[in-house]
Amino acid sequence: GQNIDQPTEMTATEGAIVQINCTYQTSGFNGLFWYQQHAGEAPTFLSYNVLDGLEEKGRFSSFLSRSKGYSYLLLKELQMKDSASYLCALPSGGYNKLIFGAGTRLAVHP
Amino acid sequence: DVKVTQSSRYLVKRTGEKVFLECVQDMDHENMFWYRQDPGLGLRLIYFSYDVKMKEKGDIPEGYSVSREKKERFSLILESASTNQTSMYLCASSPRGTQYFGPGTRLTVL
Repeated sequence: GQNIDQPTEMTATEGAIVQINCTYQTSGFNGLFWYQQHAGEAPTFLSYNVLDGLEEKGRFSSFLSRSKGYSYLLLKELQMKDSASYLCALPSGGYNKLIFGAGTRLAVHP
Repeated sequence: DVKVTQSSRYLVKRTGEKVFLECVQDMDHENMFWYRQDPGLGLRLIYFSYDVKMKEKGDIPEGYSVSREKKERFSLILESASTNQTSMYLCASSPRGTQYFGPGTRLTVL
């Protein structure tokens, strides 16, 4: 089976750096996705990691360690608009199905 | 840009009514998905479709059915709505890899 764990909530200060963790168990690894979801809106794709290491994309970076079953999303120079839920997801079976974690709700305050 | 649209942003129905939620994508994607999203539970897969007229149950199909008569359109049907089906319903489509989400329908069943 598959299982994904993320912290439920986090708070951070504007301009700071925050790390959102995701731990997972899966029998066959085929990559890991991160999505961002603002309140009342659709999730939007942020990143996809299939190899170990850090991938940087502007203010957002995503890290993967397959041996530890661990990923994190690193958000730098936080802005108020980064207040959102961040969802970790794993491919599950065929047809591009995904299984999602419950999400981490990030609140950025001045 | 991939565009996934859903027929309504907000919907209020009464217990026992038949409810249709429609999803349309404009990118010729084979795979389409219906999820519901509830606080603390994350996104849960109801049904998915990998081709016209082809459908598979997801994790929580009870009380729902689907229809895919055309490639671009995937409908979710609540045969007899119940109060425990009050939720946010999200449609997604996928060619390969990441999924692209519609804006969601917030359904309230009274």
